[in-house]
Amino acid sequence: GNSVTQMEGPVTLSEEAFLTINCTYTATGYPSLFWYVQYPGEGLQLLLKATKADDKGSNKGFEATYRKETTSFHLEKGSVQVSDSAVYFCALGSGSNYKLTFGKGTLLTVNP
Amino acid sequence: EAQVTQNPRYLITVTGKKLTVTCSQNMNHEYMSWYRQDPGLGLRQIYYSMNVEVTDKGDVPEGYKVSRKEKRNFPLILESPSPNQTSLYFCASSVLAGASYEQYFGPGTRLTVT
Repeated sequence: GNSVTQMEGPVTLSEEAFLTINCTYTATGYPSLFWYVQYPGEGLQLLLKATKADDKGSNKGFEATYRKETTSFHLEKGSVQVSDSAVYFCALGSGSNYKLTFGKGTLLTVNP
Repeated sequence: EAQVTQNPRYLITVTGKKLTVTCSQNMNHEYMSWYRQDPGLGLRQIYYSMNVEVTDKGDVPEGYKVSRKEKRNFPLILESPSPNQTSLYFCASSVLAGASYEQYFGPGTRLTVT
């Protein structure tokens, strides 16, 4: 079946540091890939997505590239801010893409 | 404002006392689903609905029921809650955006069963 593996946290960085959160997946067919962000006390929000191989999703300074050859969708940001502190989830859209399969989430804390 | 709402946001109850968590969306989405979020396990789908009167089990449906009598509402029912259903619950609705479906999540309901 489908699965998503993302790096375990927590991840603690200083402001303006470079961020990478690794995500790899297992799926049949050609899934869509997503990153969701969950700020404290809130629901999940779509951060970015990519629907086919070599697509790059980007939003709010975050980027991720759909790499079919390595089955990966790593999240990166060049300079994190305190306001980026949140839990980040990598997800895969399968079949009709109705259903999302989530990774376990990575807690990011950015210190001033 | 386009949104998914859930009520209540917080609920403490006792084992065996039936409860319902409501979910409503104002975006006219056909697809809705329920997830539970547990530490170290991420989000797991409980049930989903592809349209009115069409529902199906997700990955962890045991102990839950759902109904979809109207397009906008998708309540989650726990007929006899147990402590292992203590969790954070999210409702979501989906829309086709380009080549994929995007899911919009409610703010969550934190349930404690004692």
